[in-house]
This record gives sequence, C-alpha cells and structure tokens, in this order.
Amino acid sequence: EAQVTQNPRYLITVTGKKLTVTCSQNMNHEYMSWYRQDPGLGLRQIYYSMNVEVTDKGDVPEGYKVSRKEKRNFPLILESPSPNQTSLYFCASGVRTAGYTFGSGTRLTVV
Amino acid sequence: EDQVTQSPEALRLQEGESSSLNCSYTVSGLRGLFWYRQDPGKGPEFLFTLYSAGEEKEKERLKATLTKKESFLHITAPKPEDSATYLCARGTARQLTFGSGTQLTVLP
Repeated sequence: EAQVTQNPRYLITVTGKKLTVTCSQNMNHEYMSWYRQDPGLGLRQIYYSMNVEVTDKGDVPEGYKVSRKEKRNFPLILESPSPNQTSLYFCASGVRTAGYTFGSGTRLTVV
Repeated sequence: EDQVTQSPEALRLQEGESSSLNCSYTVSGLRGLFWYRQDPGKGPEFLFTLYSAGEEKEKERLKATLTKKESFLHITAPKPEDSATYLCARGTARQLTFGSGTQLTVLP
C-alpha cells in the first residue's frame, strides 16, 4: 500500500530534550516536506527536500533540522524543543506536478 | 508571496443540499491549485490538482473548477460522510501555501 509513515503518533517531552520524528515513504517520490498545523494558523511548511541531500527552508524553519540521506526517509529533528513547538506535525511526499500524500501526523507536546 | 483565502470558514448543509466552497489566491502564474480533505486527527487526503483556467475535475459528488483568481469546490447532493474540513493550497511540490480551510458539516 502506498503510504507515508510517521512515528511516533503522539509524543510528550520536556523542554530542551532532543527528539526526532521519523518519516518514510514507499512511493519513490522525489519531493518530501514537513508541515506543522496549528489552530487558526493552518498548515505551514517547515522544510522541504527535492531529492537526496537537497533540502531547503520553508516558512517556519527556526528550531528544526532535517536530513535526506536516503530517498525514502526524511526525519525531523528538534535539537532543543520549546513549548512553542507544541503542534501537530505532518510529513508529506510527492512528485513535481501532483499533490502531496500526507502521513497520519505526530502530535507533539513540549512541557 | 501567494496568499490563499477560503470561504466560508464553516458550512452546515442538510443531506442532499448542494453548495460550493471558494478558494481565492493573489499570485497568478504557473502554479497548481490543490484541494484536500482532512478528517479530525488525520492527515490531509489529496482530492484534485488544477493548473489551467477553465479546467474542471470530478470525483463522486465533488467537482473542482478553476478561474484565473479562484477555485470552487462544488458538492452535489452531499451525504453525512462528506463532513470534513476541505483545504485548498496553491504552489508547486517545492512549496505549497495552504488556506485555513472550510469546515463542512452535512446533517442527516
């Protein structure tokens, strides 16, 4: 089944404790992207990648890192999480001219 | 920078009562217009991509249309299972700008 898999689905952590949210796709898509979704602000892009080793900032990259060492994986790293990074995070993958396929989401709470 | 505005914010319909959702944007040019459906607690589900003014696409009770400055999602004879938030987005695979969505409720 074609899908984007994110883990974990839910995560509660403390301020400053490094964490990684994993994302994997099985569709051989070139493009991958991370979004956060907040009430009243909608979906905002954090980072995107056009292919292996090619990444660039989206609209809200501060406090996040990504890497794309393999085509299928695109982890999101929070080196020192803060409470304002509490949000619902989505990973997505796609090809240039078609819509993204989104993962099921990771609900992160930073206390 | 493209701005995407959706209206109305919320819409309640009786089952079978057809209506339309609107998505307007500020930047013209060669970019896609995407429609997604999002159920509570889930990721957005891709519905349609439109590129050219005049283009139309259909899927079951949904039809998306595109003009130079806006897109409409027409819902014909909706059913309760069509209840969801409908998102539109504009851009390319490199960067998509999303609207804030229309929350649709279809009452039986």
